[in-house]
Parts: sequence; C-alpha cells; structure tokens
Amino acid sequence: GQQLNQSPQSMFIQEGEDVSMNCTSSSIFNTWLWYKQEPGEGPVLLIALYKAGELTSNGRLTAQFGITRKDSFLNISASIPSDVGIYFCAGPGTEGAQKLVFGQGTRLTINP
Amino acid sequence: SAVISQKPSRDICQRGTSLTIQCQVDSQVTMMFWYRQQPGQSLTLIATANQGSEATYESGFVIDKFPISRPNLTFSTLTVSNMSPEDSSIYLCSVSAQIETQYFGPGTRLLVL
Repeated sequence: GQQLNQSPQSMFIQEGEDVSMNCTSSSIFNTWLWYKQEPGEGPVLLIALYKAGELTSNGRLTAQFGITRKDSFLNISASIPSDVGIYFCAGPGTEGAQKLVFGQGTRLTINP
Repeated sequence: SAVISQKPSRDICQRGTSLTIQCQVDSQVTMMFWYRQQPGQSLTLIATANQGSEATYESGFVIDKFPISRPNLTFSTLTVSNMSPEDSSIYLCSVSAQIETQYFGPGTRLLVL
C-alpha cells in the first residue's frame, strides 16, 4: 500500500529556532494533512493542503504541497515551548478515499 | 470542526476481558473511523464504522476481535475483545467532515495486564 516517509524522526532544538520537517511518498497524493499530537491527546489538524504547489500558513506554521504531489513540508518559525509534540503527515490512501495513511511522525523537543 | 469525545479516557484491564470504547460527536457525520496507536508508533486504521451496516475492516483486523457498532450518525463503539498485553495502545476515533480530511477524538489509553 501507499506509504509516507517522514523526516527527521526527531528534532531537539532551542526555543526561538525555526523548524523544518518533510514528508515524501513514492506515489501521488491528492491531499496532504499535517497533524500535531501532544502527550495524552489525539492528533489535532494543523493544516490541510488540497492543490499541488499550494502554500498555506496557520500562524507560525507554513506547509506546502509539493509540485510533484509526492511530498510536502511543514515549517515552524520562532519555536516556543508549546510547539513540543509529535507532528504527523497524512493523506488519503487512494484518490477520493476517506481512509488516511499516516507518516511515522516527527517528535519535536524544545530546550528553553 | 466537530467536537469529539471518547469514553473512557483510559483504563487498565486484565487479560482475557473485553472493553467497549464509546465515541460521541456533537454533529451528524457520514464517516467515522477507529484507529490504533501502539506505544511510540503512528496511527493504524482498524475499520470504518458504517451507519446501519457492518463495519469495514482493514487487513489484519477482524470483527471477532474488534466488534464495532454505529447505531446513528453521531455515535459509535469499538470493543476490544479477549484482551492481551499486545492490545495495550491508544484507540482513537475520527470523523470525516469533508472529503479526505479527518478530525480526531482525544483517544482512549488502554493498558492490559
């Protein structure tokens, strides 16, 4: 089946630094979703991308839908302690499908 | 986005027993899903909960182990049957508010001893 590869698997940064993580696939995705999961919580949708080349921001977060439709990145600017968590990319397993495939996640740790 | 609640939020169970997890949504939704997240892992889809018909299970998951009910458009249950320590996971329900986008509940943290 389709798989999403996220990198890096973990990041240890200083507060105030910018963060960049990405997600790639060997097959085309028509939608890219970015979620954040904090300890003890379910994943929360951060950004949804529906069009190749689309660049979308949500506060300090920016995500882009790669032009090849096989990748996406998420950037966080000026990180703060509450950015700590696991960030997952996800997309529909097949075109138009409701079922989601998830990446392995990027665990973000911030040193104050 | 829809507001989703799950009960219980966590439980500790003995092996061989069963636990039923409830998922309640504050609005009618067409699609509801159940996921499992094993410790330190990503999310894996268990099944799609279909209203008025049997759930659709993913490869590796069977109805006898994970029976699912969906009596209406705002509620679903997942039962983890005959539990073993390998069933210790977070179980999450989600709903699809628009095509190809899902929102998740807070999860149920299950520990099987």
